[in-house]
Amino acid sequence: NAGVTQTPKFQVLKTGQSMTLQCAQDMNHEYMSWYRQDPGMGLRLIHYSVGAGITDQGEVPNGYNVSRSTTEDFPLRLLSAAPSQTSVYFCASSSWTGQTNTGELFFGEGSRLTVL
Amino acid sequence: AQSVAQPEDQVNVAEGNPLTVKCTYSVSGNPYLFWYVQYPNRGLQFLLKYITGDNLVKGSYGFEAEFNKSQTSFHLKKPSALVSDSALYFCAVRDPYSGAGSYQLTFGKGTKLSVIP
Repeated sequence: NAGVTQTPKFQVLKTGQSMTLQCAQDMNHEYMSWYRQDPGMGLRLIHYSVGAGITDQGEVPNGYNVSRSTTEDFPLRLLSAAPSQTSVYFCASSSWTGQTNTGELFFGEGSRLTVL
Repeated sequence: AQSVAQPEDQVNVAEGNPLTVKCTYSVSGNPYLFWYVQYPNRGLQFLLKYITGDNLVKGSYGFEAEFNKSQTSFHLKKPSALVSDSALYFCAVRDPYSGAGSYQLTFGKGTKLSVIP
């Protein structure tokens, strides 16, 4: 009963390095999303997808890229890491039945990223 | 644009006492409202939601929340707090008819609940 799986759990990068945070879900959810969590700021949406081949920007998309080639996977790429991207990143998925979807989000355990 | 406010950064309550965690929201239409809980070093877990119907909704672990449209509030409550309820609580809102924003779930900044033995 895996749910939403994120890897790695911890990562330290140097400024300018690139990396990919992986997210996979086994619930056949159409909707997937990435959030970052910073102290005192709650969760902020980075990117989201409502199905394979469909992605869109959230509240704080700058510095991040995503793609959705399969229903199961939704990787988040940092092309050139900056200290401001030090954060805890959460992937979340939901069943999706359209604009009026009422489904709740299922979250992964998080990936803690430090950029030096 | 949709938004959520959780006016208290921290709430302290004695074990066995009732607890309330406050949430107010702002949307242009009828909201979908959610409460999530986060334990240390874990992801968020769904507690309950209001979509339509009865203003009092019941959720996991004995929690409930009351939707008040006139006050635009969705406060989380529990009749008798447990030490194990100590965690970070997030309120979230979605406006399903707000165009591009209808896909987005907007979270509050979170309220840390501490239940004192």
